[in-house]
Amino acid sequence: DAGVIQSPRHEVTEMGQEVTLRCKPISGHDYLFWYRQTMMRGLELLIYFNNNVPIDDSGMPEDRFSAKMPNASFSTLKIQPSEPRDSAVYFCASSLSGYSYEQYFGPGTRLTVT
Amino acid sequence: DQQVKQNSPSLSVQEGRISILNCDYTNSMFDYFLWYKKYPAEGPTFLISISSIKDKNEDGRFTVFLNKSAKHLSLHIVPSQPGDSAVYFCAASWDDKIIFGKGTRLHILP
Repeated sequence: DAGVIQSPRHEVTEMGQEVTLRCKPISGHDYLFWYRQTMMRGLELLIYFNNNVPIDDSGMPEDRFSAKMPNASFSTLKIQPSEPRDSAVYFCASSLSGYSYEQYFGPGTRLTVT
Repeated sequence: DQQVKQNSPSLSVQEGRISILNCDYTNSMFDYFLWYKKYPAEGPTFLISISSIKDKNEDGRFTVFLNKSAKHLSLHIVPSQPGDSAVYFCAASWDDKIIFGKGTRLHILP
């Protein structure tokens, strides 16, 4: 398996633009997680899905952020409109059995909003 | 309020010696703890975990110790190798919540 795939690897956009980050989890994994990493706040969980259903989105910073998982092999994280403070590295991860087990992380998308 | 704290932003250790990375937590409800390792431009990779019902778990060169009364866990790497140079994240989970520490950057010196 190729592991968790994220695209794009780097995204530079202007404030106010819509940004869409994409993730393909490992086949057979039932859980998918979206994280954000910043210097100030470290690694924060934004939202997670179980069997394509969003379970906990309490980490999503505000309504500008939304995530979907239309099928077991694809998820998106959308920011609309984007702001400079959204600049961060966004990671997607998947696992077989939730938090208490090994999560496999993708390489991340480095987002810069100017 | 940080529920999982890694108070040392960085640590330097001589190759071949023991590396000890520390992590403190505040929530006594956490029942599972994990360590992840991260290289630059890559996602974190799982290293080792421990359930709250245990006080030690060992996997090769890596051992995690849990002291529940002190709400403290540590990761021991022995012997340290150059490839161990990375950022190490401690994480704690409970009831579908997971909290990561901010990480400790480990430098292995030749």
